[in-house]
Amino acid sequence: DAGITQSPRYKITETGRQVTLMCHQTWSHSYMFWYRQDLGHGLRLIYYSAAADITDKGEVPDGYVVSRSKTENFPLTLESATRSQTSVYFCASSESLTGYGYTFGSGTRLTVV
Amino acid sequence: RKEVEQDPGPFNVPEGATVAFNCTYSNSASQSFFWYRQDCRKEPKLLMSVYSSGNEDGRFTAQLNRASQYISLLIRDSKLSDSATYLCVAWTRGNNRLAFGKGNQVVVIP
Repeated sequence: DAGITQSPRYKITETGRQVTLMCHQTWSHSYMFWYRQDLGHGLRLIYYSAAADITDKGEVPDGYVVSRSKTENFPLTLESATRSQTSVYFCASSESLTGYGYTFGSGTRLTVV
Repeated sequence: RKEVEQDPGPFNVPEGATVAFNCTYSNSASQSFFWYRQDCRKEPKLLMSVYSSGNEDGRFTAQLNRASQYISLLIRDSKLSDSATYLCVAWTRGNNRLAFGKGNQVVVIP
């Protein structure tokens, strides 16, 4: 199916475990982004990528690792999950960095216990 | 100071009424502005871009005031389906990210 898909939709993990959230887009968009959304904070950028093998930090990168070996995939890894990383995570893609044309995936709701 | 500030509400609106709300942005270098709509527990979706001259899309009108650094959204003839959270968004060259406000929650009441 065309679009941007995230998996899993829901995930419960224990403190200290590694967990990877997946993001896949079929448009061949150059730019991909990971945001987290928390009550009281709105959406905040974690990492973004301008192309395969090019990634950069956003507003709240600590505790997260990303990679982009293929244009269509942009996984987000929590190396050692903490309760403060309980959140809803949204992946997005865009053809440009101008702010136009962003499309978001349906999100992953992560709970760290 | 947050880059984009919004009064979260909720804004309880009778069906058929008009509702308007503003957001303010702190970075005068911000170049592009948007309103996104987010339904409960779903992803944000672009509602409309905001232009300096103001723009309208059906029942929705957006305005940008660069001098006062605020953006507004007006919804006319509110429908029950308009119930959602409306996110004010700014993009600034060099930040390489969309800056989101916390959202205005709108509840349209029958």
